[in-house]
Amino acid sequence: DIQMTQSPSTLSASVGDRVTITCRASQSISSWLAWYQQKPGKAPKLLIYKASNLEDGVPSRFSGSGSGTEFTLTINSLQPDDFATYYCQKYNSNSRPFGPGTIVEIK
Amino acid sequence: EVQLVESGGGLVQPGGSVTLSCEASGFAFRSFAMDWVRQAPGKGLEWVSAITSSGADTSYADSVKGRFTISRGSSKNIVYLQMNSLRAEDTALYFCAREMIGYGGNSLDSWGQGTLVVVSS
Repeated sequence: DIQMTQSPSTLSASVGDRVTITCRASQSISSWLAWYQQKPGKAPKLLIYKASNLEDGVPSRFSGSGSGTEFTLTINSLQPDDFATYYCQKYNSNSRPFGPGTIVEIK
Repeated sequence: EVQLVESGGGLVQPGGSVTLSCEASGFAFRSFAMDWVRQAPGKGLEWVSAITSSGADTSYADSVKGRFTISRGSSKNIVYLQMNSLRAEDTALYFCAREMIGYGGNSLDSWGQGTLVVVSS
């Protein structure tokens, strides 16, 4: 089975910073990758689908890139509302694991 | 407005069974595949199961294969997750989620608030 990893596991940043989270797949998944944001006590929210497509209503400071085995989620000019946990998920087959998550915390 | 409301969680003994329900509204339910995702307390997200829009095809994580069954209501806008032979490690908040249609593939664009299952004696 394809395994998903994320780095870093925790990221400390300040409002206004540009942050990048990396997600890696153990085998190529083409562009079948999504990114989600989750805040404590809330359901996850879809940010990016098919590696680089911004979900409707998601601010343009979020962007995704990559294909194959390496993907990135970038947040330009981090806002107070962006402090949360971020997960990637691959979905190119009947096995759809999430990455372990990256906590973006206030520095 | 898309709404997904999960129910059926609670305290279950190890080895026991429970069936979770997810009632959908605000969209053409029969046109969308649906998933279950769980989150153990303080842990990350774990994809559990999916069912196609027709209900003809299902898929499961290895951790639940053979114990859990996903299904769709024949006349109601409900997706079910029947959970048998429950273990302590099945303790989690269980989310129901809708898959995108078309270009987005199987990414999950709408989520419920979850129902908590606690497996303990």
